[in-house]
Amino acid sequence: GAVVSQHPSWVICKSGTSVKIECRSLDFQATTMFWYRQFPKQSLMLMATSNEGSKATYEQGVEKDKFLINHASLTLSTLTVTSAHPEDSSFYICSARDPSQGGTGELFFGEGSRLTVL
Amino acid sequence: KQEVTQIPAALSVPEGENLVLNCSFTDSAIYNLQWFRQDPGKGLTSLLLIQSSQREQTSGRLNASLDKSSGRSTLYIAASQPGDSATYLCAVLYGNKLVFGAGTILRVKS
Repeated sequence: GAVVSQHPSWVICKSGTSVKIECRSLDFQATTMFWYRQFPKQSLMLMATSNEGSKATYEQGVEKDKFLINHASLTLSTLTVTSAHPEDSSFYICSARDPSQGGTGELFFGEGSRLTVL
Repeated sequence: KQEVTQIPAALSVPEGENLVLNCSFTDSAIYNLQWFRQDPGKGLTSLLLIQSSQREQTSGRLNASLDKSSGRSTLYIAASQPGDSATYLCAVLYGNKLVFGAGTILRVKS
């Protein structure tokens, strides 16, 4: 299957700093990528849909000014958590759909990035 | 509201047992349904994907069924092994949005 890679896999930062997480599609071009958040012992919740060359679409309750998404190329989307606070500590995971897979709608996920804000 | 529910929340079985994980969804207008495996602190591994027009998919010891009219899917694991221990997530694709269940934590004891 298609490969999606995230970096970094984990990051620890001080409260008030900003953190950038990268999501790359390694062997396909993705016009759309998705960002999810997973709190401990909970399931994944969609945060936003990242569209190449245009603004991201955020889910209700997700602050777009806090979680900045940039999808400048067909293989890279970035999520920047601005002015991070301890409550932003979570597992962030991205996914993408490989258009060459036809209309299956299958989504491929990155390895995830664990953010800990002190 | 589109919701996905998984039962049971946790399951502990002895090695070799066959088991069934359940997933139900409130909105039957799905595009597809995927079962994933997640190991602690790790990302997701796709196990099986069932299109809305399909009834089941099989891969090795895994079999997933889909009954769209009743809003249910099951993941059947045959001859369970300790290496199957993980969290299993059911996710339903509505248009462009993937909605996840809370998962079933499976522990297979040797």
